[in-house]
Amino acid sequence: GENVEQHPSTLSVQEGDSAVIKCTYSDSASNYFPWYKQELGKRPQLIIDIRSNVGEKKDQRIAVTLNKTAKHFSLHITETQPEDSAVYFCAASNTGSGYSTLTFGKGTMLLVSP
Amino acid sequence: GAVVSQHPSWVICKSGTSVKIECRSLDFQATTMFWYRQFPKQSLMLMATSNEGSKATYEQGVEKDKFLINHASLTLSTLTVTSAHPEDSSFYICSARTRLTGELFFGEGSRLTVL
Repeated sequence: GENVEQHPSTLSVQEGDSAVIKCTYSDSASNYFPWYKQELGKRPQLIIDIRSNVGEKKDQRIAVTLNKTAKHFSLHITETQPEDSAVYFCAASNTGSGYSTLTFGKGTMLLVSP
Repeated sequence: GAVVSQHPSWVICKSGTSVKIECRSLDFQATTMFWYRQFPKQSLMLMATSNEGSKATYEQGVEKDKFLINHASLTLSTLTVTSAHPEDSSFYICSARTRLTGELFFGEGSRLTVL
């Protein structure tokens, strides 16, 4: 089955700095890679996703890059703000496998200091 | 985006009782719903996959007789924790997949505390 590794487990940055979270996956058949933000005690919220036919996707301050050959993908947050503080999860799935079970990374706790 | 509603958001029960958690897709049909368990400061662990009209598929190590899952309609799946014990205390989250894009949307989560 799929195995997703996520690093770092915690990341502390100053407001305005950039933050990068990296994930690797094991199953070359995976073709859908979403990123979720989860605030304490709340549901995960999809913030951005990328499919395997695209190498990069950007949405305002958030961008995701995908390297299929190396089987890794990264989340980039620029101009970080205190409200970006949360736990971020990467995930991978194969949407062509009948039903798309997501395999999650262990999460990265991002702390943005004012 | 699509809306998934989960109820109750929190529940406290006595050891030995059963607790039912509902997961509803409000504005789309979800042929597949997923149930996750999340311990504090940990990732989401998939417990089972619920397919409408058929038996749920459980992940290794998850007791199907302990965690009963029913997916009776295209908009509702339920998780029943039977004979709950303190070690079952956790945050349970459901998600539903949209047929159109394959995206997953999560319910609000249910925090179960077993005394």
